[in-house]
Amino acid sequence: DIQMTQSPSTLSASVGDRVTITCRASQSISIWLAWHQQKPGKAPKLLIYKASSLERGVPSRFSGSGSGTEFTLTISSLQPDDFATYYCQQYNSYPWTFGQGTKVEIK
Amino acid sequence: EVQLVQSGAEVKKPGESLKISCKGSGYTFTNYWIGWVRQMPGKGLEWMGIIYAGDSDTRYSPSFQGQVTISADKSINTAYVQWSSLKASDTAMYYCARGGSTRLDPFDTWGHGTMVTVSS
Repeated sequence: DIQMTQSPSTLSASVGDRVTITCRASQSISIWLAWHQQKPGKAPKLLIYKASSLERGVPSRFSGSGSGTEFTLTISSLQPDDFATYYCQQYNSYPWTFGQGTKVEIK
Repeated sequence: EVQLVQSGAEVKKPGESLKISCKGSGYTFTNYWIGWVRQMPGKGLEWMGIIYAGDSDTRYSPSFQGQVTISADKSINTAYVQWSSLKASDTAMYYCARGGSTRLDPFDTWGHGTMVTVSS
């Protein structure tokens, strides 16, 4: 299985901050990486696919980059609605796997 | 609008069987993969497996192979995951999610989740 490792596990930030989350794959997954956002008590929601493509309807303050084994999710200016847990997920090969999650908290 | 509507919460005893469902609408069900994801209380997301609704081609995570059965009934646009003998450790929220029409498409739409509680 491909292991996905996110850092940090928890991130404290303020509204307006630029936030970056890193996701590393244990082997190359090319660009087949997605980022999902999950708020407490809610289902996850797709934000980014193919490492850097923004899902329709997702605000442009979200962006993704990377290829191979290292990827980042950046929120350019953190908004109150963005406090949530973020998961990376590889879909290069079965079994698909998720990172352990990064919780973005209010500082 | 693409929607996945899951069946309601379940409370079961250890050893009992269970089948939960996920009904797709707003798209051509048979052209897409549907996957299942477990989230244990307070924990992260775990990929269980995925099925192509058109021909029921199914792939499992090794962690879930033999523990659950994923199936689909294309006549009613519904996917399922079932257990033959539940354990307390199966207590979790279970999400279905739509994959793409090809293997290299991510989950783009999620169901609201089905909470399964297994307790004696």
